[in-house]
Amino acid sequence: ETGVTQTPRHLVMGMTNKKSLKCEQHLGHNAMYWYKQSAKKPLELMFVYNFKEQTENNSVPSRFSPECPNSSHLFLHLHTLQPEDSALYLCASRGTLNTPEAFFGQGTRLTVV
Amino acid sequence: GEDVEQSLFLSVREGDSSVINCTYTDSSSTYLYWYKQEPGAGLQLLTYIFSNMDMKQDQRLTVLLNKKDKHLSLRIADTQTGDSAIYFCASGGYNTDKLIFGTGTRLQVFP
Repeated sequence: ETGVTQTPRHLVMGMTNKKSLKCEQHLGHNAMYWYKQSAKKPLELMFVYNFKEQTENNSVPSRFSPECPNSSHLFLHLHTLQPEDSALYLCASRGTLNTPEAFFGQGTRLTVV
Repeated sequence: GEDVEQSLFLSVREGDSSVINCTYTDSSSTYLYWYKQEPGAGLQLLTYIFSNMDMKQDQRLTVLLNKKDKHLSLRIADTQTGDSAIYFCASGGYNTDKLIFGTGTRLQVFP
């Protein structure tokens, strides 16, 4: 148990659906991340939020829309996804950008059909 | 851009030592990490080392850093079947967003 909780653990959605992934931490961390993990590829950094402000958007398509309403919660809103977006989506949190430890959630396994 | 590279597979016998290697390109990396991922799970932080250190030991784990060559290694002593997993190397900087990960090394431990 890392203290970072992601829901749902598994999600199957059609290409025309809209869904959201949720990440929650009560570690008092101020930086939160979304990563995409696809088979046989390095972890891809998608978005970073620091003190609720987005500080990194790693050329992610607009069909992925992040939201960080407070330092404890991070969402990833999904709409009109493609089958190649099927992957494990991982959330991570870090105390501040100056603290080394970054903890990950269990991930959401997304399948787009 | 920044890059982290690892070999894809390592197979060892139970009880032997495992050494997983990693190279990185970002010379400004302040922290170097090792994460473990078991099937169906997220990434578990195993250990990390500051770039001003050349070695860190934590029970069965020994991390060696050669900053000149930008080479990081993780040695697992007395490897057990429960150590079978994917091990990720990552680099991060001080006061920077980015945590850059390698592709991961799949460690298989056989009896």
